[in-house]
Amino acid sequence: NAGVTQTPKFQVLKTGQSMTLQCAQDMNHEYMSWYRQDPGMGLRLIHYSVGAGITDQGEVPNGYNVSRSTTEDFPLRLLSAAPSQTSVYFCASSYFSAEVGEQFFGPGTRLTVL
Amino acid sequence: AQSVTQPDIHITVSEGASLELRCNYSYGATPYLFWYVQSPGQGLQLLLKYFSGDTLVQGIKGFEAEFKRSQSSFNLRKPSVHWSDAAEYFCAVGEGADGLTFGKGTHLIIQP
Repeated sequence: NAGVTQTPKFQVLKTGQSMTLQCAQDMNHEYMSWYRQDPGMGLRLIHYSVGAGITDQGEVPNGYNVSRSTTEDFPLRLLSAAPSQTSVYFCASSYFSAEVGEQFFGPGTRLTVL
Repeated sequence: AQSVTQPDIHITVSEGASLELRCNYSYGATPYLFWYVQSPGQGLQLLLKYFSGDTLVQGIKGFEAEFKRSQSSFNLRKPSVHWSDAAEYFCAVGEGADGLTFGKGTHLIIQP
């Protein structure tokens, strides 16, 4: 199993550009989520999905869009990049039940917006 | 709203010494608690988790944590640290579909 994979590892954008961060998992997990990590802030939840076709907002959703057309993939779209979106982005997945299972994290995407 | 506080931003420990990283949480019900470790440039790896039952939880790499409901704490401990333990440590609380709420992290430095 590859686990949770993320592409690209690094990306530099100019303000106003759009892009998609890719996330895929091969563990048949129902639950997938996106976090951003900023210095001194820990990780903050952007969006999450409890299954194909179902997504919802987390703590910091503004400026980001997600969709979940398959169980395996959960891409994160930046519609019009801003310098405030410079961060490290982590995708995570887990089995979903009444309790939160162990979340498996991808290696991260380091994004710089100029 | 749930929240997690890690009071120590940095901790320096000598190799071979014991370690305790503090975590306090605010949560309305019985929490699901986690400790994750992040090595430089890497993703997060789960060290241990508490859902219910025994309040002393054993994890990987020789770590353990104790849940104390009366103190709203879930401190991480290790009896003897190794240089490879130098990393960022995150405490997290979560339940259901709302994802995890993370503390801001504690940066562990190991002195030779």
